[in-house]
Amino acid sequence: EVQLVESGGGLVQPGRSLRLSCTASGFTFGDYAMSWFRQAPGKGLEWVGFIRSKAYGGTTEYAASVKGRFTISRDDSKSIAYLQMNSLKTEDTAVYYCTRLYCSSTSCYGDAFDIWGQGTMVTVSS
Amino acid sequence: SYVLTQPPSVSVAPGKTARITCGGNNIGSKSVHWYQQKPGQAPVLVIYYDSDRPSGIPERFSGSNSGNTATLTISRVEAGDEADYYCQVWDSSSDHPLVFGGGTKLTVL
Repeated sequence: EVQLVESGGGLVQPGRSLRLSCTASGFTFGDYAMSWFRQAPGKGLEWVGFIRSKAYGGTTEYAASVKGRFTISRDDSKSIAYLQMNSLKTEDTAVYYCTRLYCSSTSCYGDAFDIWGQGTMVTVSS
Repeated sequence: SYVLTQPPSVSVAPGKTARITCGGNNIGSKSVHWYQQKPGQAPVLVIYYDSDRPSGIPERFSGSNSGNTATLTISRVEAGDEADYYCQVWDSSSDHPLVFGGGTKLTVL
């Protein structure tokens, strides 16, 4: 069964850091780009960023709201994607989802996110 | 940046057809993907590349895209279709390349 499982969420104070993990199973992890999304309570979906597969350079792209604070990385040997979140703000409070993306081109632009994890809650509060 | 506009809510009686629109400037030139999100659950891809259905998604779900409007159509609506629906595109000309619509709450009367 194809599955993504997020972990690492919790309560954290503003200004602190947190690292989320996304453990994949049931597919060849290295063939896919991995992306993170978030959803604040009662709000819509917001893209956070993604990391391409090694075949497409393993490069990353981020939303402007998190650029410079968040970093996405991957360990293909463990089938895990990470989201390192630094300098957290109260507005980062959300459920964080990881997804996979099969890129049909180097850019990955145009493709859909076909598998989503169940999400992990991050609460930033003092 | 590119903007996608969805109606906040759509209501439909069981057995009828629901149409959820997603408006954007020349959206017909882009690939549109649709996600269903039920309360307390993760999103699920229901339509990709405008009109393709992933395996496991009922044939009742279909999509179209032309001009400035993409449409998700759900035929023979069931109570279990009640959910939020989001359209999504990529905009390579923007520094924010991935865009979601604001979501549409489908209510089955």
